[in-house]
Amino acid sequence: GAVVSQHPSRVICKSGTSVKIECRSLDFQATTMFWYRQFPKQSLMLMATSNEGSKATYEQGVEKDKFLINHASLTLSTLTVTSAHPEDSSFYICSARVGGMTYEQYFGPGTRLTVT
Amino acid sequence: AQSVTQPDIHITVSEGASLELRCNYSYGATPYLFWYVQSPGQGLQLLLKYFSGDTLVQGIKGFEAEFKRSQSSFNLRKPSVHWSDAAEYFCAVGAAGTDKLIFGTGTRLQVFP
Repeated sequence: GAVVSQHPSRVICKSGTSVKIECRSLDFQATTMFWYRQFPKQSLMLMATSNEGSKATYEQGVEKDKFLINHASLTLSTLTVTSAHPEDSSFYICSARVGGMTYEQYFGPGTRLTVT
Repeated sequence: AQSVTQPDIHITVSEGASLELRCNYSYGATPYLFWYVQSPGQGLQLLLKYFSGDTLVQGIKGFEAEFKRSQSSFNLRKPSVHWSDAAEYFCAVGAAGTDKLIFGTGTRLQVFP
């Protein structure tokens, strides 16, 4: 149980284009999902908290207009990197919180974004 | 502010040897503590968690962790390491008043045959 998927696993896009990453909870409903960014050999940096049916809450320093998050259903959240630039290249990981379980998060396999 | 410290950036052990990965946290009340493992290019997998009760917690893949309030520690242990345990290990604590997790910087485990 508590499986989270991400799609795509890898994406290469040209500078200036936008790319969408999907995060799905496969066998449970997730009222809250989280988006993280991870640089090579570093820890996870929380970008935003996504609650179903409401606007995402972004961490300080994260550009909300660049990283658009939509959590339209209890099983799907999307992260759209708009007007991507090479410095946006990173490993993006989503997680979902099991309803009623404080703090416990289940993570997706991650998406490697490369902007050329 | 809450924080998590993993003092060891990189640990190397021989296959079959015992393992202990250190984690220290800063938090006033009883914390919610987690250990996650990340294989290269993968997401994080939950190894074990501590919320309350028995301070020795058993997890998956033969791992265990002990919560020691007096030392503000939640060290991860395994009696005999397998080559497949080579990965990055993250300790995390639940941030009070939110539903966020605060992660340590991780410990990279290398296993030699």
